[in-house]
Amino acid sequence: GAGVSQSPSNKVTEKGKDVELRCDPISGHTALYWYRQRLGQGLEFLIYFQGNSAPDKSGLPSDRFSAERTGESVSTLTIQRTQQEDSAVYLCASSLDSNYGYTFGSGTRLTVV
Amino acid sequence: TQLLEQSPQFLSIQEGENLTVYCNSSSVFSSLQWYRQEPGEGPVLLVTVVTGGEVKKLKRLTFQFGDARKDSSLHITAAQPGDTGLYLCAGDDSSNTGKLIFGQGTTLQVKP
Repeated sequence: GAGVSQSPSNKVTEKGKDVELRCDPISGHTALYWYRQRLGQGLEFLIYFQGNSAPDKSGLPSDRFSAERTGESVSTLTIQRTQQEDSAVYLCASSLDSNYGYTFGSGTRLTVV
Repeated sequence: TQLLEQSPQFLSIQEGENLTVYCNSSSVFSSLQWYRQEPGEGPVLLVTVVTGGEVKKLKRLTFQFGDARKDSSLHITAAQPGDTGLYLCAGDDSSNTGKLIFGQGTTLQVKP
């Protein structure tokens, strides 16, 4: 597609439920990144994919968080047993390769109640 | 741990005024990027600077990379309400993965 697409744009979930967030990167972009942004804050790195492999998962906050990427395209970020502190905007970005700037999606706003 | 500190955190000015946003670190970065983010949207890349001392201009925006590649500034001349947004600086970490470390951002409000 023309840009990075994320879905859903908004998600309200009850504490303890699992959620899946989806990212469709720009076609041909081999690098894909997930970041988390709390209200009014900068971006916190979560995970990086190069192709379908994840050489850097160092930012995942706990083992409740996982992500995968298939077909060098779509990526899914899964949060199990959501907690209130997981409430944030989850941003996905893709890049032609690691030497280029990012193109971000509009994010998924997750609210855990 | 590489950190980027931005200042000021908040800035509210009148249309037509000039302003400067700073991005500082004790670490050296091989490149630094500036992004602008509007509410409900993802950040949009404004510029990438890679050479110490480099200056880049984008209309009324001037970006500078420090000689030692540890700091950067964004100067806006004659600010307009359309410049309102969250400005983020980001530096590549040392892992060669393209992973970026972001500053906390500067929220700019330009009043008409």
